[in-house]
Amino acid sequence: EPEVTQTPSHQVTQMGQEVILRCVPISNHLYFYWYRQILGQKVEFLVSFYNNEISEKSEIFDDQFSVERPDGSNFTLKIRSTKLEDSAMYFCASSVLRGNYNEQFFGPGTRLTVL
Amino acid sequence: AQSVTQPDIHITVSEGASLELRCNYSYGATPYLFWYVQSPGQGLQLLLKYFSGDTLVQGIKGFEAEFKRSQSSFNLRKPSVHWSDAAEYFCAVGAGNAGNMLTFGGGTRLMVKP
Repeated sequence: EPEVTQTPSHQVTQMGQEVILRCVPISNHLYFYWYRQILGQKVEFLVSFYNNEISEKSEIFDDQFSVERPDGSNFTLKIRSTKLEDSAMYFCASSVLRGNYNEQFFGPGTRLTVL
Repeated sequence: AQSVTQPDIHITVSEGASLELRCNYSYGATPYLFWYVQSPGQGLQLLLKYFSGDTLVQGIKGFEAEFKRSQSSFNLRKPSVHWSDAAEYFCAVGAGNAGNMLTFGGGTRLMVKP
């Protein structure tokens, strides 16, 4: 069964460093998303991406964040200058346009630890 | 803005007992509702979803949920809990349009006593 994959599973970085989190969505999916979950808190939406453009973003997704689909398969989240509060589990998701609803399939997540 | 409330942060049930996890949502239009499960160290797995039609929906692993518009609720149920059901459960609401974000509740952590 097709699934969303994410690498790395765990990333440790120093405050101020840039990190890139990688995702491979399901191959026939058209919409891509990033969510994050700070330890012990709810899952929060960051951004959605379609047709090489951001379609929606939350207040969390500020200028420090960017997303890219550098090739036909990968979808990346870059954090330019990490802060301690960026420590969280980051989930990638994808969905295919199917009628008028939106079922999102999630990857296993990347745990980001900022020291 | 849409929102989801899961009133129970932790629930403990005995193996074999029935389970109900509560979810209340706030959304201005017809909601699209989901339940996800997250096992420790794992990602989010979709248990079931409601888009329209029959208000009682069946999902994987023996779970079901009932949409009650009058109560703005979408409670998750299972008649007999197994030890492997211990996990965190998230209710989520989304707009009908593809590409729109999901809004999650705070989650309910289920523990199962032998």
